[in-house]
Amino acid sequence: DIVMTQSPDSLAVSLGERATINCKSSQSVLYTSNNKDYLAWYQQKPGQPPKLLIHWASTRESGVPDRFSGSGSGTDFTLTISSLQAEDVAVYYCQQYYTTPRTFGQGTKVEIK
Amino acid sequence: EVQLVESGGALLQPGGSLRLSCAASGFTFSNAWMNWVRQAPGKGLEWVGRIRSKTHGGTTDYAAPVKGRFTISRDDSQNMLYLQMNSLKTEDTAVYYCTTEDGSSAFWGQGTLVTVSS
Repeated sequence: DIVMTQSPDSLAVSLGERATINCKSSQSVLYTSNNKDYLAWYQQKPGQPPKLLIHWASTRESGVPDRFSGSGSGTDFTLTISSLQAEDVAVYYCQQYYTTPRTFGQGTKVEIK
Repeated sequence: EVQLVESGGALLQPGGSLRLSCAASGFTFSNAWMNWVRQAPGKGLEWVGRIRSKTHGGTTDYAAPVKGRFTISRDDSQNMLYLQMNSLKTEDTAVYYCTTEDGSSAFWGQGTLVTVSS
């Protein structure tokens, strides 16, 4: 199975500041035939189901604010919130869909400092 | 608008069985691959399994902890997804979500809670 490891487990960021979450996979999730990274990011607010923010490592879902961006390739990925807003308080998960079983990172809790 | 509505969650004892349902609307369900994902209380997300569309064989894949105990099925005539859970264990306690599967999971239901406790 591909193990997804996120860092940090939690972070507190001031409103308007940048938040950075890292995700590392135990093996590459880059499919060389199409040069796509099979990596998604989800946001989960308390009491709600997860919401897909980014797929293919860097493609924002429709309606997702552009302060959210994804980067990286192969085994190392980053989710960046460029200017943290109060409504961004949530737990963020990365997930690989390169193979089954689909696997998620353990989650990173983002709070306001 | 895509809607996924899970039902069937309950409190039951270890060793019991339960079937969860997911009613889908707002998209062509018969063409969709579908997942079940669970989340234990206060914990992270765990993929349970998926079912392909009938045109892709309708076959299933499962996570190791549930393989042989859980079965995913679908009724395309009713736009319904199912999760049959047998030989339930306390560690199966979780909110169970159905999701669309297009690689990533773009759409999620609100989830249904399954509690396994003696």
